Amino acid sequence: NAGVMQNPRHLVRRRGQEARLRCSPMKGHSHVYWYRQLPEEGLKFMVYLQKENIIDESGMPKERFSAEFPKEGPSILRIQQVVRGDSAAYFCASSSTVEDSPLHFGNGTRLTVT
Amino acid sequence: DQQVKQNSPSLSVQEGRISILNCDYTNSMFDYFLWYKKYPAEGPTFLISISSIKDKNEDGRFTVFLNKSAKHLSLHIVPSQPGDSAVYFCAASDAAGNKLTFGGGTRVLVKP
Repeated sequence: NAGVMQNPRHLVRRRGQEARLRCSPMKGHSHVYWYRQLPEEGLKFMVYLQKENIIDESGMPKERFSAEFPKEGPSILRIQQVVRGDSAAYFCASSSTVEDSPLHFGNGTRLTVT
Repeated sequence: DQQVKQNSPSLSVQEGRISILNCDYTNSMFDYFLWYKKYPAEGPTFLISISSIKDKNEDGRFTVFLNKSAKHLSLHIVPSQPGDSAVYFCAASDAAGNKLTFGGGTRVLVKP
C-alpha cells in the first residue's frame, strides 16, 4: 500500500544546472500537487495537475519552473538554471476525486543549490 | 499576505496534559480546514479536518474546533504524548478544490 513516492530524497545541484523532481501519486489518485517549503516557513502551493493537464499553476514562479503529469509515469517538477534561492524542500501530494478528501504528502525532495 | 496564520511558533507541554494549537484565517471563502503533523525529514501527515458546516470534529485524542465568525480554529490534543512532539500545520481550502493554504506551523514539544 505505497503512499506518495518522491525521488530523489536529496538532490544537490550547482548554480545554472537543471533539477528534476519526480512524484508518483498514491494508487488510485489522479490529482497531484506540488508545494515548496523554505527553511522555517510553511508550505507554499506551487501547482495542481491532473493527468496531462495543468489545472492551477498560480504558485509557480514565472520563469525556470515547469511541471507535468503525463498519461504514463510520474509527475515531474523541473527547475532550469537553478539559483541558491531555489534551495528548499519540495513536497508532492496527491488526492482522489472524492470531494474534501485530504491531500496525502510524500516525504519530499530536499534540493540544495551550491 | 498571509491568509492562514499560526501565531505561536512553539508550544511546550507536559506529558498527559492538553495541547491547544491555534490558527486564524482571513479568507472568508475558505470552507474546509485541516491539521497536519510533520516530523523532521518527512512529509506532512494528515491528522484531522473539519468543514465549515460543523463547529467541532473529534477523532480519538484530537479535536478540532471551528469558530467561523471569528475565523479561528484550534486543535486540542489530550492527553499529550511524547510522540506528539512535531510541527503542526493548519491548512485551509475553498470550495473550488483541494489547493491548500498553509499556516507557518507550530512546533510542539511534549515533555515526559
